[in-house]
Amino acid sequence: SAVISQKPSRDICQRGTSLTIQCQVDSQVTMMFWYRQQPGQSLTLIATANQGSEATYESGFVIDKFPISRPNLTFSTLTVSNMSPEDSSIYLCSVEDLDRGAGELFFGEGSRLTVL
Amino acid sequence: AQSVTQPDIHITVSEGASLELRCNYSYGATPYLFWYVQSPGQGLQLLLKYFSGDTLVQGIKGFEAEFKRSQSSFNLRKPSVHWSDAAEYFCAVGSSNTGKLIFGQGTTLQVKP
Repeated sequence: SAVISQKPSRDICQRGTSLTIQCQVDSQVTMMFWYRQQPGQSLTLIATANQGSEATYESGFVIDKFPISRPNLTFSTLTVSNMSPEDSSIYLCSVEDLDRGAGELFFGEGSRLTVL
Repeated sequence: AQSVTQPDIHITVSEGASLELRCNYSYGATPYLFWYVQSPGQGLQLLLKYFSGDTLVQGIKGFEAEFKRSQSSFNLRKPSVHWSDAAEYFCAVGSSNTGKLIFGQGTTLQVKP
């Protein structure tokens, strides 16, 4: 199974600032996914990041707020821009391990952001 | 609309007792079904999955789940709960095409000694 590392693991941020979360995978993967888990809530997909193309965003999420980079097959970043307290969440990177079967996702440990 | 419902937000069981966590889904295509566990401060770990075939699937840590198409359910079971099973459990549904999953709201399991 893929090993996923995320940085930072947690951070406290000020309102109006931006923070970039990094996701590193130990193997090459075609698609990477960014999820958000708001306090006490379930996981919601933000966007799908494919190498060499623009990320695909889900309804309710826009590129200006959550710009994503995918420079190669093992790395991606998610930026949370102009943060407000409502952005306080755990942000999780995930990848699909096709060797284990399509549709099965592996997750990083997440980046817990608190916005003051 | 595609959705996953976990009717029980919070469940408390005694250590050694049996456990069943409920999951119902609504999905237009043939569903791929998953159960994930999230321990405090940790990422999600896959417990088991159903793609096709035998509707009773075995997972890690002694968990099993049964897919019932007629009831649109995929309930998670364990015959004897251990204190280390206390965690948040998420049911999820997806397809083979996108790899993206729709998650339920989660069920928090508390285990009494």
